[in-house]
Amino acid sequence: NAGVMQNPRHLVRRRGQEARLRCSPVKGHSHVYWYRQLPEEGLKFMVYLQKENIIDESGMPKERFSAEFPKEGPSILRIQQVVRGDSAAYFCASSPGVGNEKLFFGSGTQLSVL
Amino acid sequence: GQSLEQPSEVTAVEGAIVQINCTYQTSGFYGLSWYQQHDGGAPTFLSYNALDGLEETGRFSSFLSRSDSYGYLLLQELQMKDSASYFCAVRPLNTGNQFYFGTGTSLTVIP
Repeated sequence: NAGVMQNPRHLVRRRGQEARLRCSPVKGHSHVYWYRQLPEEGLKFMVYLQKENIIDESGMPKERFSAEFPKEGPSILRIQQVVRGDSAAYFCASSPGVGNEKLFFGSGTQLSVL
Repeated sequence: GQSLEQPSEVTAVEGAIVQINCTYQTSGFYGLSWYQQHDGGAPTFLSYNALDGLEETGRFSSFLSRSDSYGYLLLQELQMKDSASYFCAVRPLNTGNQFYFGTGTSLTVIP
């Protein structure tokens, strides 16, 4: 009965490198959300995915950011050519499906860009 | 767009009662949820109000008034471990299955 698993817990990258954040949802959950959080701020919606489909990416920057949730394996949030402004905590959440009001969150990945 | 406003900080005494408000501007939503987050850790679900009124879960209660665009989380018999950030959240009717979160309230419980 593992919850949402995110890795790595901490990720350090230099400017211009790529960051790949992984999220394994609760077993049986088919909906995944990614949120970004800056210190002392709220959770900002980035992208909502179902298996093999991006449902809504309206909160994600158009450039350098991408997300996927393949049929097999974890969901991946990918940030190319990172900049210092990308430093933040990135949280993944999952739910069983439409109509379910409870989100299950992972412990997040703290991305630090040097 | 969606806007959920909360007080940024609240301080209360151990054993007391505290109310954390959430005022929102959204065209329509399924219900109002509350989450707790300790020190930047994983947010955890606390409660959900689909209908107007009060929902009670142990020491925590949550209230919703759609006519007033307002809700609150009530914490009773405060304990030191309740020191955390609290977020309200909505799932709007017209945006698929997204969830939008409030600005968050940092609660500090003092002895």
